[in-house]
Amino acid sequence: DAGVIQSPRHEVTEMGQEVTLRCKPISGHDYLFWYRQTMMRGLELLIYFNNNVPIDDSGMPEDRFSAKMPNASFSTLKIQPSEPRDSAVYFCARGSPGGTQYFGPGTRLLVL
Amino acid sequence: GDSVTQMEGPVTLSEEAFLTINCTYTATGYPSLFWYVQYPGEGLQLLLKATKADDKGSNKGFEATYRKETTSFHLEKGSVQVSDSAVYFCALAYTGFQKLVFGTGTRLLVSP
Repeated sequence: DAGVIQSPRHEVTEMGQEVTLRCKPISGHDYLFWYRQTMMRGLELLIYFNNNVPIDDSGMPEDRFSAKMPNASFSTLKIQPSEPRDSAVYFCARGSPGGTQYFGPGTRLLVL
Repeated sequence: GDSVTQMEGPVTLSEEAFLTINCTYTATGYPSLFWYVQYPGEGLQLLLKATKADDKGSNKGFEATYRKETTSFHLEKGSVQVSDSAVYFCALAYTGFQKLVFGTGTRLLVSP
């Protein structure tokens, strides 16, 4: 058990709709990461937080994407408006001392 | 910048064959090195790690040795099983700096 819960596990939506992905890491770890995985682009780091503060969001594709971490055990990734090219598996991971990251099971997003 | 290069896949083996997946890295400092595995439909999970030169990481019959002189961290297993079929990612990170740099992943297919 990686100690990371993601919801929903699957999401199907129509282009233009708002999508919110949720991540609940077990508390006690300072770092939280959001990744996106597609066949074409592989695994991409979107953004990561340290102590709930965004540190590096250079991987966020564009202004349609936003992420928040209001407390140590909850984070959201929002896409508004969604587009078909956003279809991917989105992973949340918590960091631990020494660089090891523990990944959640992912949210599979399909935008029609 | 830092980077990780993995051999192209897929790697196709018969059960009980010997496995090697090559990984080389470019780094400005002395990072920790990791192998992650992703089984179908799941998130990445840590397979093994090594934190300094000549360290050997091992887990579930897999092993890899941190070779500073060749900047390599090749993954090996003496006898693969069908259940080892997955995508394997090599990665590096610096202690105290949590961001992982991933390779592109290598798919392993093991047939009975």
